[in-house]
Amino acid sequence: EDKVVQSPLSLVVHEGDTVTLNCSYEVTNFRSLLWYKQEKKAPTFLFMLTSSGIEKKSGRLSSILDKKELFSILNITATQTGDSAIYLCAVSNSGYALNFGKGTSLLVTP
Amino acid sequence: DVKVTQSSRYLVKRTGEKVFLECVQDMDHENMFWYRQDPGLGLRLIYFSYDVKMKEKGDIPEGYSVSREKKERFSLILESASTNQTSMYLCASSSFGTAREKLFFGSGTQLSVL
Repeated sequence: EDKVVQSPLSLVVHEGDTVTLNCSYEVTNFRSLLWYKQEKKAPTFLFMLTSSGIEKKSGRLSSILDKKELFSILNITATQTGDSAIYLCAVSNSGYALNFGKGTSLLVTP
Repeated sequence: DVKVTQSSRYLVKRTGEKVFLECVQDMDHENMFWYRQDPGLGLRLIYFSYDVKMKEKGDIPEGYSVSREKKERFSLILESASTNQTSMYLCASSSFGTAREKLFFGSGTQLSVL
């Protein structure tokens, strides 16, 4: 059975800190790994990773995939209160749907 | 701007009622999905559709059915609502082919069944 495990489940940091969120997976016929940010209701797309070792970056956020060790990390540097959200990791295989982890709830305090 | 619209943000229903959740997308996407999101359980797939009139069961289809009569619209039906179906329901869509993993989500419907 496919599995996506995120850690930690929740995290509280101070503004300006750097955080690392983890996502490990076991999936048959792996195709890609995706990160989403969910602030209020609708998850919004952050990154999609298909190749191992390639870093994707967008401003203060970056992510890398290790296909050999079957995990990904999402880094946020110089955190701001607006980064407070649930971060979702999802994995796709040869099918149509994504398999989501339970999410990491991040709270950034002023 | 791309959009996935869910008809209601909040809904309160009684046990045993038939409930319709509607989702419309304006991106001409082939694929549409219904997930439910519960604290501690994450997002779980209920049903998805890859074409008009086509549907596939997800991980937790029991107690639900779906309808896709037009490409832009995907409806989730609770035939006889029960309290354990109280949840946040999220609709999503994606295009066919290499970008099919990139889901666009609606804002969700928080359903309470009393």
